[in-house]
Amino acid sequence: GDSVTQMEGPVTLSEEAFLTINCTYTATGYPSLFWYVQYPGEGLQLLLKATKADDKGSNKGFEATYRKETTSFHLEKGSVQVSDSAVYFCALGGSARQLTFGSGTQLTVLP
Amino acid sequence: DSGVTQTPKHLITATGQRVTLRCSPRSGDLSVYWYQQSLDQGLQFLIQYYNGEERAKGNILERFSAQQFPDLHSELNLSSLELGDSALYFCASSVAPDSTGVTNEKLFFGSGTQLSVL
Repeated sequence: GDSVTQMEGPVTLSEEAFLTINCTYTATGYPSLFWYVQYPGEGLQLLLKATKADDKGSNKGFEATYRKETTSFHLEKGSVQVSDSAVYFCALGGSARQLTFGSGTQLTVLP
Repeated sequence: DSGVTQTPKHLITATGQRVTLRCSPRSGDLSVYWYQQSLDQGLQFLIQYYNGEERAKGNILERFSAQQFPDLHSELNLSSLELGDSALYFCASSVAPDSTGVTNEKLFFGSGTQLSVL
């Protein structure tokens, strides 16, 4: 079945540091890939998505590229801010699939 | 604010009891999804409803049941509660499933109900 593996957390960075959160997936067919973010005390919200190989999703300075050859969808941001502190979930979905989430990565950004 | 409302925010109960969690989807959304988030299992899909009908089932225990009412709000009923049922339960909604009738890619999540079973 479908599965998503995320890098273990927590991740602690200083403000303006570069962020990478690794995500790999296992799925048949051609899934869509997503990053959701959960701020403290809130529900998850969609951050970005990519629907086919080599697509790049981007939002709020975050980017992720759908790499079919490595079955990966790593999240990156060039300069993190304190307000980016949250839990980040990689997810797999698409036509005829329920969303399957990774275990989440807690990011803390220090001023 | 996602527009999805869940009540109550916190619930503390004892083993063997039964509880009901309530979810009001975003205005206009016809699909409701329930997820369970626990430390050991992560975020697990439980069940989906579309316009009052069950559409998909995930890892939902037989002790758990759900329904979606004509006004589109949904309730998740958890019975014979065990310590291991302690978790954060999320409801999400979307406009409608895609053409396969299964799911929609963009879900809007509520802030969850934290259930503690003592």
